[in-house]
Amino acid sequence: GAGVSQSPRYKVAKRGQDVALRCDPISGHVSLFWYQQALGQGPEFLTYFQNEAQLDKSGLPSDRFFAERPEGSVSTLKIQRTQQEDSAVYLCASSRKLETVTMGEQFFGPGTRLTVL
Amino acid sequence: AQSVTQLGSHVSVSEGALVLLRCNYSSSVPPYLFWYVQYPNQGLQLLLKYTSAATLVKGINGFEAEFKKSETSFHLTKPSAHMSDAAEYFCAVTPKAAGNKLTFGGGTRVLVKP
Repeated sequence: GAGVSQSPRYKVAKRGQDVALRCDPISGHVSLFWYQQALGQGPEFLTYFQNEAQLDKSGLPSDRFFAERPEGSVSTLKIQRTQQEDSAVYLCASSRKLETVTMGEQFFGPGTRLTVL
Repeated sequence: AQSVTQLGSHVSVSEGALVLLRCNYSSSVPPYLFWYVQYPNQGLQLLLKYTSAATLVKGINGFEAEFKKSETSFHLTKPSAHMSDAAEYFCAVTPKAAGNKLTFGGGTRVLVKP
């Protein structure tokens, strides 16, 4: 079956431009996560949705970052007035609703590589 | 707050040799623990996970990891490296609560020499 897809795969933006990154999770997955992976580092959590509800946005680095999932499926991460330090790979992951006994595995998309010039 | 430390950002092994990647975590209670692999230009793929069952966990591609509470470690091993194992490996933790995010280590890049 189809996995998590992200678009675009590569995005080049001039400093100050707004960008929108899209994530299509696995069909039926309730939970959706966004992570930011800087060059040579591990992914860092940005935000988490359960269905359309954004339950945790503690990792968003500034108010220029905004994420939404209005219908509980596709999600968009928007970055306003991009800065050079925003250059990174943005990873999306989805998982089934967590059960009480086992941890729902997160399935990752290929990421969007954002370069801000 | 949780944290993950992976010792060694780069590891070089010969084909057929043992692969050992080290991961130590910091958490007030034993968390769930994961190892992910990332191939170039691809997303992360789950190798294995520890969720409070057996302390020795077997994963895909011949990898296994052992949870040692006394050492707060979750080291990843493979008895015999294959060229296809060349990739970056990430250890991650999450608290035992629904819906929580993963905290990743900095990653270890594995190079396999013929």
